[in-house]
Amino acid sequence: GQNIDQPTEMTATEGAIVQINCTYQTSGFNGLFWYQQHAGEAPTFLSYNVLDGLEEKGRFSSFLSRSKGYSYLLLKELQMKDSASYLCAVRGGGTNAGKSTFGDGTTLTVKP
Amino acid sequence: GAGVSQSPRYKVTKRGQDVALRCDPISGHVSLYWYRQALGQGPEFLTYFNYEAQQDKSGLPNDRFSAERPEGSISTLTIQRTEQRDSAMYRCASSSGGTEVPQYFGPGTRLTVT
Repeated sequence: GQNIDQPTEMTATEGAIVQINCTYQTSGFNGLFWYQQHAGEAPTFLSYNVLDGLEEKGRFSSFLSRSKGYSYLLLKELQMKDSASYLCAVRGGGTNAGKSTFGDGTTLTVKP
Repeated sequence: GAGVSQSPRYKVTKRGQDVALRCDPISGHVSLYWYRQALGQGPEFLTYFNYEAQQDKSGLPNDRFSAERPEGSISTLTIQRTEQRDSAMYRCASSSGGTEVPQYFGPGTRLTVT
């Protein structure tokens, strides 16, 4: 089966850096996605990792270690608008290749 | 271009009635996914299609739930004999195909069964 764990809530200060962790146990692996979801809105894509290492995209970076079943999303220069839920999702392998399993999300609150 | 659209946005129905939820994916997107999302949780996979073929329906909770995508574009998720526990946000997503591409989500249909 698929199991994904993320912290439920985090709080950080505007202008700071925050790291949101995600650990997973899945049947096969075809990539890990991070999505941002503001309250009452649809999830929107942030980043994708399939190989080990760091992917950087502006203020957002995502890291993957496949051997450890671990990823993190790094948000730099936090802004108030970054207050949202951050969802980690893993795409399975084999017969699960088309299926993404989502964590329950980490609610980030950015304070002034 | 237009994003994923879903209709209706809100649906209130009485227990025992059938409902049909519609998803119109981004034009040209091969893959279409249905999820259910409870408040404070991540999307829960229900089923997905590549073109008109339903590839995986392992997430459908029981045989009251079904989905179709007859022409490989618009999809309908049908819930028969609705129950109160079916109340949730139902989200549709589409992608251009391939394991490395992201999914683009629609605004969802909020279903309330009274």
